[in-house]
Amino acid sequence: KQEVTQIPAALSVPEGENLVLNCSFTDSAIYNLQWFRQDPGKGLTSLLLIQSSQREQTSGRLNASLDKSSGRSTLYIAASQPGDSATYLCAVRRSNDYKLSFGAGTTVTVRA
Amino acid sequence: GAVVSQHPSRVICKSGTSVKIECRSLDFQATTMFWYRQFPKQSLMLMATSNEGSKATYEQGVEKDKFLINHASLTLSTLTVTSAHPEDSSFYICSAALLGELFFGEGSRLTVL
Repeated sequence: KQEVTQIPAALSVPEGENLVLNCSFTDSAIYNLQWFRQDPGKGLTSLLLIQSSQREQTSGRLNASLDKSSGRSTLYIAASQPGDSATYLCAVRRSNDYKLSFGAGTTVTVRA
Repeated sequence: GAVVSQHPSRVICKSGTSVKIECRSLDFQATTMFWYRQFPKQSLMLMATSNEGSKATYEQGVEKDKFLINHASLTLSTLTVTSAHPEDSSFYICSAALLGELFFGEGSRLTVL
């Protein structure tokens, strides 16, 4: 069974600092890995999707890396803003059946 | 991007009643949808896979008679929590797949008194 762990559980930084969020998974035989953002009481917004054959994906201030062999992914958010405050979830898809295994998330607070 | 809508966003009910939550894909057809449950500060747990025109597939430990899933059309899946109890209070989120990517609804907060 795939276990997904996100460390730290919570993070508070001043505005402008770069954020580094970690995700680890136990089974390296994955189909892809996806990072989501969740605002309080809301659903999930997809941020980045990395296929198993890729090493990283970038979108604006966001960059996600994937190291399948070590079972790790890292989400970098450059020059953080208060609007980046949210919970960030990492999810691993094991095959083409679309089933995702989620981490518990990292709750980020960016202080103005 | 693809839009998935859930209704209601919040529902409060008395213990013993049944509650229906709808999940709609607004601008695409989804033969498969997924229902997740999320407890506070915990990860999303997949409950079941909803298949259009056939029975849902439930994950281990999920009571199929408690959580009834119907996927009657290519744009609508419903989750009915039958004889709800306070321990069923949770945040329920649905998702639908399109071109290899999953899109999630806004979630439905169920509170059972």
